[in-house]
Amino acid sequence: GAVVSQHPSWVICKSGTSVKIECRSLDFQATTMFWYRQFPKQSLMLMATSNEGSKATYEQGVEKDKFLINHASLTLSTLTVTSAHPEDSSFYICSASGGVGTGELFFGEGSRLTVL
Amino acid sequence: GENVEQHPSTLSVQEGDSAVIKCTYSDSASNYFPWYKQELGKRPQLIIDIRSNVGEKKDQRIAVTLNKTAKHFSLHITETQPEDSAVYFCAASIRGSGYSTLTFGKGTMLLVSP
Repeated sequence: GAVVSQHPSWVICKSGTSVKIECRSLDFQATTMFWYRQFPKQSLMLMATSNEGSKATYEQGVEKDKFLINHASLTLSTLTVTSAHPEDSSFYICSASGGVGTGELFFGEGSRLTVL
Repeated sequence: GENVEQHPSTLSVQEGDSAVIKCTYSDSASNYFPWYKQELGKRPQLIIDIRSNVGEKKDQRIAVTLNKTAKHFSLHITETQPEDSAVYFCAASIRGSGYSTLTFGKGTMLLVSP
């Protein structure tokens, strides 16, 4: 199947700093990528849909100015957590569709963010 | 929007027993229902999926059934093994000519005891 790579796999930062997470589709082009957040022992909650070359679509309750999404190419989407606070500590996972009309979503490895 | 309910939240079985996880969805337009297995700290892995034009699908020890009228679908794992222990998520989406977003259930933690 298609491969989605996410980096970094874990990051620790101080409160108030910004953190960037990258999501790459390695062997296919992804016009659309999805960003999820997962708190411990909870489900995956969709944060936003990232569209190549246009603005991301954010889910209700997700602050677009805090979670900046850039999808500048068909193989890369980035999520920047700005002015991170301890409550932003979570497991962030991206996913990408294997193509229009295909069934499966391929997930990145996830990035565990800890804000001190 | 779509709402997916999943039960039970935890399920403990003995090795060799069967396990059943059930999900319901709210949007009758949903037509794609994947199941993911997630081990601790790792990415979700697709284990089986079903589309709305099919009532049942089987892959070795795993099967999924779909009742569109009742808007519920279930995952069946037979002859469970300890390595089946993980969190399982059901999801629903509308699959058409473009992309679609998945709505996940809350997950079921399956524990298979030797």
